[in-house]
Amino acid sequence: EAQVTQNPRYLITVTGKKLTVTCSQNMNHEYMSWYRQDPGLGLRQIYYSMNVEVTDKGDVPEGYKVSRKEKRNFPLILESPSPNQTSLYFCASSGIGGGPQHFGDGTRLSIL
Amino acid sequence: RKEVEQDPGPFNVPEGATVAFNCTYSNSASQSFFWYRQDCRKEPKLLMSVYSSGNEDGRFTAQLNRASQYISLLIRDSKLSDSATYLCVVNEGFQKLVFGTGTRLLVSP
Repeated sequence: EAQVTQNPRYLITVTGKKLTVTCSQNMNHEYMSWYRQDPGLGLRQIYYSMNVEVTDKGDVPEGYKVSRKEKRNFPLILESPSPNQTSLYFCASSGIGGGPQHFGDGTRLSIL
Repeated sequence: RKEVEQDPGPFNVPEGATVAFNCTYSNSASQSFFWYRQDCRKEPKLLMSVYSSGNEDGRFTAQLNRASQYISLLIRDSKLSDSATYLCVVNEGFQKLVFGTGTRLLVSP
């Protein structure tokens, strides 16, 4: 089954404790992206990757890091999480041809 | 000005009604357009792509007006299961997707 898998689905943690949210896709997609969704603001892009070892900032990259060492994986790293990073996070992937993106189930992060 | 604007709603309609949503976008170079559906804090799911000639998928019709930079979604014969938030999404190129904040639809019996 074609899918985008995120882990964990839910996480409550404390300020400053490094965390990683994993994202994996099995569709051999070149493009992967991370978004956060906050009430009244819609989905905003954090980082994206056009292919292995190619990453770039989206609209709200501050406080986040990513890596793309393999085509299927695109982890989101919060080196020193802060309460303003409490949000619902989605990973997405697509082929390079401009088609629609497929989303993971989401990760709800609470930073206390 | 927001890059993609939608009326947040909610649109409250009875079952069987026809309802239409509009969305405007600011980047005239935008290349492709989509409607996604999102249920209560779940992941967005593609409802349909929007083509210049307009396209229909069952009870759903999408239209694009490039000159006026707006996209529309028409839902006929609304079902209770259509209750959701509908996201207008614009691809500005190189897979940069810009999302509207969504229009909430509530279909009642």
